[in-house]
Amino acid sequence: GQQLNQSPQSMFIQEGEDVSMNCTSSSIFNTWLWYKQEPGEGPVLLIALYKAGELTSNGRLTAQFGITRKDSFLNISASIPSDVGIYFCAGRNTGNQFYFGTGTSLTVIP
Amino acid sequence: NAGVMQNPRHLVRRRGQEARLRCSPMKGHSHVYWYRQLPEEGLKFMVYLQKENIIDESGMPKERFSAEFPKEGPSILRIQQVVRGDSAAYFCASQWGENQPQHFGDGTRLSIL
Repeated sequence: GQQLNQSPQSMFIQEGEDVSMNCTSSSIFNTWLWYKQEPGEGPVLLIALYKAGELTSNGRLTAQFGITRKDSFLNISASIPSDVGIYFCAGRNTGNQFYFGTGTSLTVIP
Repeated sequence: NAGVMQNPRHLVRRRGQEARLRCSPMKGHSHVYWYRQLPEEGLKFMVYLQKENIIDESGMPKERFSAEFPKEGPSILRIQQVVRGDSAAYFCASQWGENQPQHFGDGTRLSIL
């Protein structure tokens, strides 16, 4: 199955810094989603994007659906310790199939 | 993860036994997906079901694995004659309809002795 390229693979940042991660694909998607997963739990939906160019915020999180429909980015502003976790992007195609990125592991140093 | 219920949370089986993983989707959701996740890896698609129908099973091994989503009751992922390589976390996600996001359960951690 298709795999999305997600980068960076891991990040170690100081509390208060901003974070940026992105996902790219060779195929176009109709929907981009961003999830956060903590140890021992399932992924939790953070942001859903439905249109090319769409920019959506959820608190300190902002995500954009790339205009080529082949990429998306997620920004986290003013990081805090509870932002620690693994962040996954996911794309949905016209066949209602979902493909997930390889994840970005975020560590926030107090 | 409120709403999507998976059980058991942890399942231990010996090689050769059968494993049954259950998933109750969120209320009103008629689409169910199953994924497999190995430690420090992403989610690998296995199967996509709607009520009583398998829509896409391209990610599921053809032998020993099967899935169903009956008209009544939870979706079941069944693994027969388990082997050590089946050890993983298995996640279920449900969706209200197409063009809607998926919502995940907390997974079943399967360990094979």
